[in-house]
Amino acid sequence: TQLLEQSPQFLSIQEGENLTVYCNSSSVFSSLQWYRQEPGEGPVLLVTVVTGGEVKKLKRLTFQFGDARKDSSLHITAAQPGDTGLYLCAGALRGNAGNMLTFGGGTRLMVKP
Amino acid sequence: DAGVIQSPRHEVTEMGQEVTLRCKPISGHNSLFWYRQTMMRGLELLIYFNNNVPIDDSGMPEDRFSAKMPNASFSTLKIQPSEPRDSAVYFCASSSAPGGYTFGSGTRLTVV
Repeated sequence: TQLLEQSPQFLSIQEGENLTVYCNSSSVFSSLQWYRQEPGEGPVLLVTVVTGGEVKKLKRLTFQFGDARKDSSLHITAAQPGDTGLYLCAGALRGNAGNMLTFGGGTRLMVKP
Repeated sequence: DAGVIQSPRHEVTEMGQEVTLRCKPISGHNSLFWYRQTMMRGLELLIYFNNNVPIDDSGMPEDRFSAKMPNASFSTLKIQPSEPRDSAVYFCASSSAPGGYTFGSGTRLTVV
C-alpha cells in the first residue's frame, strides 16, 4: 500500500469531457504537488498547494488541497488530446528532512479525439 | 538553463555488465534524487543527496547499486553487475528546498 493513493489508475475519455482524479492519504502533508509526465519524458511540475482548502487554477485544470491536508484533487474541464499523460501527485510529509517528496502511483489519462 | 541533463538516453547491455548513468543537476539546486520507474512499481526513490551528501539510500535495492555525487554539478548511478530485472527508466531530479523537482528526460535501461 502506497502512502499516497491515486484514483483512478487509468482513465480513457473523449475530447471535451470533464474528469477528476484523486490523491488520498491518511497522513498530513505540509505541501502537495501535481506533475504531468508525457511518454519518453520526465514528470513536469504543474502546481504546488500549501494551505488546507486551497484551490489553484491553471487554464482548464483546477487543483484543490483538502482542508485537513491529507488529500487533493485535480479536475480537468473540456479535456483535450494534449492532456494525455501520467498525472502524479507528490506530498512533503511534515517533519521530513530536506526536500523529500512521496509520490503516488499515478493516474494514466488518455483523451481520444 | 538547459534543465537536468541525463546521459545516456538509452542503454542496452548484457546481463553481468557494469552500467553507469550520469546526471547534471540544475545549477544552484542543492538536492539531487535518483528514481527508477516501471509500469509495475511506478516511481521509486533510490537515493537522495543534499549538498552532495547522501541523506537517504534506503531505496537502493541491493549492493549492486551505488551512487556518487563528487561535486554539485555531477552525479552517477552505477549498477554492477546488471541483471534483467534492473530494466527500467531511471530518472534524476534536482531541487532547491522547498521548491518542486525538475526531472531529467531519463535513461531507458534494458538488460538482456
